[in-house]
Amino acid sequence: DSGVTQTPKHLITATGQRVTLRCSPRSGDLSVYWYQQSLDQGLQFLIQYYNGEERAKGNILERFSAQQFPDLHSELNLSSLELGDSALYFCASSVTGAESPLHFGNGTRLTVT
Amino acid sequence: SQQGEEDPQALSIQEGENATMNCSYKTSINNLQWYRQNSGRGLVHLILIRSNEREKHSGRLRVTLDTSKKSSSLLITASRAADTASYFCATLDTSGTYKYIFGTGTRLKVLA
Repeated sequence: DSGVTQTPKHLITATGQRVTLRCSPRSGDLSVYWYQQSLDQGLQFLIQYYNGEERAKGNILERFSAQQFPDLHSELNLSSLELGDSALYFCASSVTGAESPLHFGNGTRLTVT
Repeated sequence: SQQGEEDPQALSIQEGENATMNCSYKTSINNLQWYRQNSGRGLVHLILIRSNEREKHSGRLRVTLDTSKKSSSLLITASRAADTASYFCATLDTSGTYKYIFGTGTRLKVLA
């Protein structure tokens, strides 16, 4: 058990809808990362937060947004969903961002129909 | 674009054999990490090697890093069926952005 909790585990929704994915980082970790993994693909970096502040941004679509709250949990909001957004969305946390390994949750599997 | 590219994309070996997978990256890095992913699950950190290190061992794992060639290799010795998984390298570049960029992964299948 990595200590990172992601909810929900599965999400099925229709095109055009909006969903929120939630992540609770490992106790003591200040950094949260979001990644998208499409079927049999590598992980695409979306965004990183450190202690409530956005630190790095990757290939995150404008339809997607995220935030990290004072209690350090994070939410990823996906709107105007398209079929191509179907993927596994992973949250990872680390103590800092430098040489700390990432601890991953088990992901949220999003299916857009 | 992906920072790391693993090679081969897929590898099938017999239990007891060694498995070697390679990772190439594009920019200067602070460190390189290897992760394992069992099907549909979250990634698990295996080992970290810093840019000033050339080789590192952890149990049955041996990682090498060649910064001049911008490449790394992961060797799993005496493989077991339980090693069946996808393996990813991840690099942290030196730009200070703290973005860990993952490669496309190597799918390893160990046959019992």
